[in-house]
Amino acid sequence: DQQVKQNSPSLSVQEGRISILNCDYTNSMFDYFLWYKKYPAEGPTFLISISSIKDKNEDGRFTVFLNKSAKHLSLHIVPSQPGDSAVYFCAARRSGNTPLVFGKGTRLSVIA
Amino acid sequence: GAVVSQHPSRVICKSGTSVKIECRSLDFQATTMFWYRQFPKQSLMLMATSNEGSKATYEQGVEKDKFLINHASLTLSTLTVTSAHPEDSSFYICSARDRGHTEAFFGQGTRLTVV
Repeated sequence: DQQVKQNSPSLSVQEGRISILNCDYTNSMFDYFLWYKKYPAEGPTFLISISSIKDKNEDGRFTVFLNKSAKHLSLHIVPSQPGDSAVYFCAARRSGNTPLVFGKGTRLSVIA
Repeated sequence: GAVVSQHPSRVICKSGTSVKIECRSLDFQATTMFWYRQFPKQSLMLMATSNEGSKATYEQGVEKDKFLINHASLTLSTLTVTSAHPEDSSFYICSARDRGHTEAFFGQGTRLTVV
């Protein structure tokens, strides 16, 4: 039973355009949602997070949107840069000292 | 962000031997550490959660006698793969979190190959 789903395994975007990565979840108990970026043979790097009490969080080129009623979140990257090419993981967890539950990731390719 | 150091980054071992992987939080106290395993083109699968000074909590299907986890201090956790077999070959990643952070910080990962 996959609680965090990233249905698009890959995405290609032109440099300068917006990248939109989507994520759905099933567990209504999740309180925090996070996006990580990962390069091959490296650990994930934290990008941005959002609490369930918010619907938007912005940090530079990265914005995360949360729609609790739809159990859906998305990561917007604008403008996209070639260095953004990586696998992006959506993750979620409940409140308290709980582990992250990850989606399968979406491979983003930003084409120059 | 906080720094988590994982060592070694790559190891090749013979079947039947044991391998120890270290995970250190360098600039914060990691009250909780998590160990994940990633198969090719798959997500990170949680193996176990360890809190400093107590026994690790293993996820269903993870053999605690095979994957020994020790979290003896607030800055160090170790994962020992005992009697390794080729099917244990995988990418192992640790993460650490302290009470002050929502996010967890990850180590660089360890590519284990059992031959």
